[in-house]
Amino acid sequence: DAGITQSPRHKVTETGTPVTLRCHQTENHRYMYWYRQDPGHGLRLIHYSYGVKDTDKGEVSDGYSVSRSKTEDFLLTLESATSSQTSVYFCAISEAPQGSYEQYFGPGTRLTVT
Amino acid sequence: AQKITQTQPGMFVQEKEAVTLDCTYDTSDPSYGLFWYKQPSSGEMIFLIYQGSYDQQNATEGRYSLNFQKARKSANLVISASQLGDSAMYFCAMREGNNNNDMRFGAGTRLTVKP
Repeated sequence: DAGITQSPRHKVTETGTPVTLRCHQTENHRYMYWYRQDPGHGLRLIHYSYGVKDTDKGEVSDGYSVSRSKTEDFLLTLESATSSQTSVYFCAISEAPQGSYEQYFGPGTRLTVT
Repeated sequence: AQKITQTQPGMFVQEKEAVTLDCTYDTSDPSYGLFWYKQPSSGEMIFLIYQGSYDQQNATEGRYSLNFQKARKSANLVISASQLGDSAMYFCAMREGNNNNDMRFGAGTRLTVKP
């Protein structure tokens, strides 16, 4: 199994509060991703990183920011959480965004915004 | 526009039988890759199989095979000899072009294997 951990695994927070989710990898992969999973939508890309301090937006980036100060850590921040951000969040890593290089996923974080 | 479509929200199959999970995709890029992932009830995403648009043969991985019909833009997953442990959500995904970080997923199909 790829060495990917996510913390916390579960979180309940109130509307308007800031939330930071952490993804940590031990594989030294250059590419890291944050997805959200909602019923009927599969997984949707929020942000991704192609190196330390190099990030870009995905399909559903509004309301989210990311940071990557070290190869192994990729943080996802909800500056002011809203109920629409209640979801399961997955981190993924990849050696390269091409060909048969698949993405390896972390265990997920279930976030509930009340 | 939806790039990946999985039209079967749920499927049932008898243990030891084969089952086909449908996936159609939409792209104008001649270079793309198709992936299937399994998500059991425990929640993790497990990579199953990959098919490249230029691959001449259909991909196979153990009991999993991909029925790739390029002209129809379909990439159906075939699971042979179903097992109870195959009960899970299955997601089809596509990455267009080369050096592209944007992988698009379908909504998924929930497969239930009956004993």
